[in-house]
Amino acid sequence: DADVTQTPRNRITKTGKRIMLECSQTKGHDRMYWYRQDPGLGLRLIYYSFDVKDINKGEISDGYSVSRQAQAKFSLSLESAIPNQTALYFCATSDADDRYNQPQHFGDGTRLSIL
Amino acid sequence: AQSVTQLDSHVSVSEGTPVLLRCNYSSSYSPSLFWYVQHPNKGLQLLLKYTSAATLVKGINGFEAEFKKSETSFHLTKPSAHMSDAAEYFCVVRTGGYNKLIFGAGTRLAVHP
Repeated sequence: DADVTQTPRNRITKTGKRIMLECSQTKGHDRMYWYRQDPGLGLRLIYYSFDVKDINKGEISDGYSVSRQAQAKFSLSLESAIPNQTALYFCATSDADDRYNQPQHFGDGTRLSIL
Repeated sequence: AQSVTQLDSHVSVSEGTPVLLRCNYSSSYSPSLFWYVQHPNKGLQLLLKYTSAATLVKGINGFEAEFKKSETSFHLTKPSAHMSDAAEYFCVVRTGGYNKLIFGAGTRLAVHP
């Protein structure tokens, strides 16, 4: 089983719909992240959470919201989807220990298309 | 502010020849640097990380990267490309103390028989 699981893997929906992308992890990490990937732009951070009670905006949070339901679960919502939110979305986790340059561990992504 | 620039959006090599993927970084202090690889329809996998213990960093699958402070570079190399190396590669710099990452735009590596 994957350590970081994203559901759904693919989603096609219409403009104006509410969408929720879910992420769960079995790594026991405190920190979780949501990114979007667009061609030629790399990954950009949407939101991040250092624990259940600590949620922070990233560089492109407008139009998105998140919920950290438990240490292992971090969901991303688009309240009213628009076409320019069509992208590949990644969830990631990392250990809280900053001393050893901890890497982030990524899920396989959710491909979201908004018509 | 930290940033990272990947100098080539596409690199094409023949199987068995060397690979060089170039990355320059900008950082106001000693950076934390990573290379990740993304295969089609998969998430990102860590190739290697620079921890300041050694300037030449060895990663998985025969990749390595050399940190050069004077050139602000962290280029990724492999002596001999394999077909399975075809993927997109991201150079990443970590910001501050909270493990926030800044990604380069990516380099797509094609490997031809």
